[in-house]
Amino acid sequence: ETGVTQSPTHLIKTRGQQVTLRCSSQSGHNTVSWYQQALGQGPQFIFQYYREEENGRGNFPPRFSGLQFPNYSSELNVNALELDDSALYLCASSRERQGSGETQYFGPGTRLLVL
Amino acid sequence: QQQVKQSPQSLIVQKGGISIINCAYENTAFDYFPWYQQFPGKGPALLIAIRPDVSEKKEGRFTISFNKSAKQFSLHIMDSQPGDSATYFCAAFLQGGSEKLVFGKGTKLTVNP
Repeated sequence: ETGVTQSPTHLIKTRGQQVTLRCSSQSGHNTVSWYQQALGQGPQFIFQYYREEENGRGNFPPRFSGLQFPNYSSELNVNALELDDSALYLCASSRERQGSGETQYFGPGTRLLVL
Repeated sequence: QQQVKQSPQSLIVQKGGISIINCAYENTAFDYFPWYQQFPGKGPALLIAIRPDVSEKKEGRFTISFNKSAKQFSLHIMDSQPGDSATYFCAAFLQGGSEKLVFGKGTKLTVNP
């Protein structure tokens, strides 16, 4: 088990609503990355936060936003939910800014269902 | 160019057999290639990783073979066990890129007793 925790474990929302997912990084890690994993697919990079600033973003619209707090925990916010947003959302933490392929440790994920 | 192509999609192996999963990439700027193992209901866990200046890396029953000129790498699981049944993802890291870790689509491995 990694030291990365995520909450909630499961969530059901309706289309058009907003959702906030939370992640606590492993002790000593200052970088958090968020991924979306659709059923039967590999994780897709959403964005990364390093020392409270966004450090890279994948091909996701602006309604996906995030925050990192001084204790390096992080939030993923999704506005105007769409049915296709139904997925497992994974948080991964690492020790340093991803400049050297530093190992990312994943949490168990939050399963989001949009109806 | 940012894609990592993984095959096969699913694999069934008998206990004690060798499981082989292959991945290919296009972007030569990728410089770190990890493999992740994921059990149902869990997040991916790092299994083994390699850098492109090394052609092979072995950790226990798990071996990565890397062919830089062909832009291919593969995972070999020796003496496969039922407990190895999981989904395996190859990935590639792009230093300085916005995509960071790029994952393959996964291979569901089933090891029969």
